[in-house]
Amino acid sequence: GAVVSQHPSRVICKSGTSVKIECRSLDFQATTMFWYRQFPKKSLMLMATSNEGSKATYEQGVEKDKFLINHASLTLSTLTVTSAHPEDSSFYICSARHGQPEAFFGQGTRLTVV
Amino acid sequence: AQSVTQLDSQVPVFEEAPVELRCNYSSSVSVYLFWYVQYPNQGLQLLLKYLSGSTLVKGINGFEAEFNKSQTSFHLRKPSVHISDTAEYFCAVNPNQAGTALIFGKGTTLSVSS
Repeated sequence: GAVVSQHPSRVICKSGTSVKIECRSLDFQATTMFWYRQFPKKSLMLMATSNEGSKATYEQGVEKDKFLINHASLTLSTLTVTSAHPEDSSFYICSARHGQPEAFFGQGTRLTVV
Repeated sequence: AQSVTQLDSQVPVFEEAPVELRCNYSSSVSVYLFWYVQYPNQGLQLLLKYLSGSTLVKGINGFEAEFNKSQTSFHLRKPSVHISDTAEYFCAVNPNQAGTALIFGKGTTLSVSS
């Protein structure tokens, strides 16, 4: 199957700083990427849909100024958590699709804000 | 609107026992169906998918699922589980619209003990 690489796998940052998470499709061109947030013991919450070369579409309740998404190329999307606070601590997962019915997922990023 | 319901939040089983994880979906149009597995602190891995054709689909790790259109179900089965199958399992449906995210159920925690 297609491979999606997410980096970093874990990050700890201080409250008030910004953190960037990268999501790369390694062997296919992803026209659409998705960013999810997962709370402990909970399902996936879709945060935004990112299309290459255009602005991301955010789900209701997700602050677009706090969670900046950039999809600059067909193989790279980034999520930047700006001015992070402890309540932003979570597991963030990206996924990518290109024409296929299924989506392929990155390994996830565990963000801890202290 | 499409939705996915996973009927069991937790399923505890003993090693080498059979298991069934239940999934029902609602959709007014044809859908593609998926099962994903998530191990702790990792992303989601595609177990199997139903796109068309035979209603019994086989996936990785000995899992299989049966698509039942009349009952709008897509239950996941394995005849004999291993300790290593302990994980979170997600059923998902593809809304079959370009650029849209998969719709996930809330997940089922499979716990296999010896």
